Amino acid sequence: QVQLVQSGTEVKKPGASVKVSCKASGYTYTRDGISWLRQAPGQGLEWMGWISANSGNTNYAQKFQGRVTMTTDTSTSTAYMELRSLRSDDTAVYYCAHFSGTYQHLFDYWGQGTLVTVSS
Amino acid sequence: EIVLTQSPGTLSLSPGKRATLSCRASQSVTSNYLAWYQQKPGQAPRLIIYGASTRATGIPDRFSGSGSGTDFTLTISRLEPEDFAVYSCQQYGISPPTFGQGTKVEI
Repeated sequence: QVQLVQSGTEVKKPGASVKVSCKASGYTYTRDGISWLRQAPGQGLEWMGWISANSGNTNYAQKFQGRVTMTTDTSTSTAYMELRSLRSDDTAVYYCAHFSGTYQHLFDYWGQGTLVTVSS
Repeated sequence: EIVLTQSPGTLSLSPGKRATLSCRASQSVTSNYLAWYQQKPGQAPRLIIYGASTRATGIPDRFSGSGSGTDFTLTISRLEPEDFAVYSCQQYGISPPTFGQGTKVEI
């Protein structure tokens, strides 16, 4: 079965960077893609962008362009999301989610989430 | 981008009752690419409906989705204790994908 396991809780100061990992198993990693989303406390879900696991092609939401980088390591079936210049309003739970080539923005499997707290 | 508005914000019902949740889009959703997710406290979202009306793998048939264009509905025919959660709709027809703010179904 498809499983996505994310790295643990992070606490960062404003201006710092955070890098979250997402290790995939249970399917052929290079066949599909990984999206990253976040959910601020008490808020709805927000899509940040996606990466093709095989090619490394990316598509970032306009809001995060210039501040986010998504990468993939096919040797370990792991995707990464780095967010820079953190602000207090970046405090959120960050999720990775699997999508297949058929529906690029339909998220059928999710990681457990990584809480990122930005505080001075 | 497409804005999704869900109503009501909170639905207070008893087990065994029928729940009807609404999701309205600011413009027509391409090919009815509308999904519903269930989220419980401290957990990741779980896909329950896609294509407006197709149940995801393993989802019981008390969950059903309907609608087209700009108006969509999620119905839970008879609430089980494990169904009390937040439900969010999402359109995946055009980029960026967007989500509604969620409807909380509580006892």
